[in-house]
Amino acid sequence: QKEVEQDPGPLSVPEGAIVSLNCTYSNSAFQYFMWYRQYSRKGPELLMYTYSSGNKEDGRFTAQVDKSSKYISLFIRDSQPSDSATYLCAMSDYGGSQGNLIFGKGTKLSVKP
Amino acid sequence: EAGVAQSPRYKIIEKRQSVAFWCNPISGHATLYWYQQILGQGPKLLIQFQNNGVVDDSQLPKDRFSAERLKGVDSTLKIQPAKLEDSAVYLCASSLAVGNEQYFGPGTRLTVT
Repeated sequence: QKEVEQDPGPLSVPEGAIVSLNCTYSNSAFQYFMWYRQYSRKGPELLMYTYSSGNKEDGRFTAQVDKSSKYISLFIRDSQPSDSATYLCAMSDYGGSQGNLIFGKGTKLSVKP
Repeated sequence: EAGVAQSPRYKIIEKRQSVAFWCNPISGHATLYWYQQILGQGPKLLIQFQNNGVVDDSQLPKDRFSAERLKGVDSTLKIQPAKLEDSAVYLCASSLAVGNEQYFGPGTRLTVT
């Protein structure tokens, strides 16, 4: 079993839809959970950052962490064509791994006008 | 604030040849990372520097890959000799310190034929 599992998609939705992206993980030491957005031929950029369990909201984006289920989610409300990108989950235990991030494979999202 | 700079952006070489990539991190960032992103996969850490010292190189194939960060600023990653399976995007990232947000460069896309 890989440390971080993420469905690669692709996922295609109409403009305005609610998008749900998910990752599962196996390492219970992970404390820090991140979502990165990567446009084609660009480097990843940090979208959301959550420590431990709970929810975090930023505009149209909501990140959820359920440590008991080892499951994290990213929700995008009122999706826009500009949201079309690959979304990567990443996690770390920082203290034990010098800040190393473990990434999922990424989910390719396409939002159709 | 200028972002992480990488060059070249694209490189095509034949197997058994050597290649080098260059990274200039964000000014003042002490921590520098090199990642390998194979098509359809998430980034995988190859090596992490804190100033000019190596913090983690456990996933660097040391028989063919080498990296250095002279004077704690710019860094180069070298592959010699290259194999077909080295075809990937090589991403450089930097952060103020271990555990801080990582900022990624645009990457160098390497094709080994």
